[in-house]
Amino acid sequence: QVQLVQSGTEVKKPGASVKVSCKASGYTFTNFGINWVRQAPGQGLEWMGLISGQKGNTNYAQRFQGRVTMTRDTSTGTAYMELRGLRSDDTAIYYCARAYFDWFFDSWGQGSPVIVSS
Amino acid sequence: EIVMTQSPATVSVSPGERATLSCRASQSVGSNLAWYQQKPGQAPRLLIHGASTRATGIPTRFSGSGSGTEFTLTINSLQSEDFAVYYCQQYHDWPPYTFGQGTKLEIK
Repeated sequence: QVQLVQSGTEVKKPGASVKVSCKASGYTFTNFGINWVRQAPGQGLEWMGLISGQKGNTNYAQRFQGRVTMTRDTSTGTAYMELRGLRSDDTAIYYCARAYFDWFFDSWGQGSPVIVSS
Repeated sequence: EIVMTQSPATVSVSPGERATLSCRASQSVGSNLAWYQQKPGQAPRLLIHGASTRATGIPTRFSGSGSGTEFTLTINSLQSEDFAVYYCQQYHDWPPYTFGQGTKLEIK
């Protein structure tokens, strides 16, 4: 069965960077893209970007352009999301989610809490 | 950017009754609309895609309808495990993919 397992809780100071991982299993990793979605405390879902399955092309939400980098390691089936210049309002749970043909998100990781605090 | 608006923000329904949740798009998204369920402390789960197609393993009491700009998620015979937050998402025109702000379904 499809499974996405994410890295654990991170606590960072303002201005730092964080890199979250998402290890996929149960399917051919390069056949599907991986999206990153975040959820601030008590808030809704916000799409951050996508790394495609076939070529590893990236597409970022405009508000994160220049601050986010999404990469992948096809040898281990792991996707990564790095966010730089952290601010307190980046405190959120960060989810990876498999992209079903770049349409909807059919499987989700368990979430990686990131806390930004001085 | 397509803005998705869900209503109401919170709805209270008794177990065994029917719940109707609405989602409106700021412009037509065709049938490129998904619904997700999120329970406290859990990741979202895909319920419906293509506006009306249930995802694998989703009970038949969940149904989706609509096209264009108006969509509805109906949950019949509410079970205790159905009380959660529900989000709609459009994938017609991206980037960005956009979600509604969510509707909380609570027990009456």
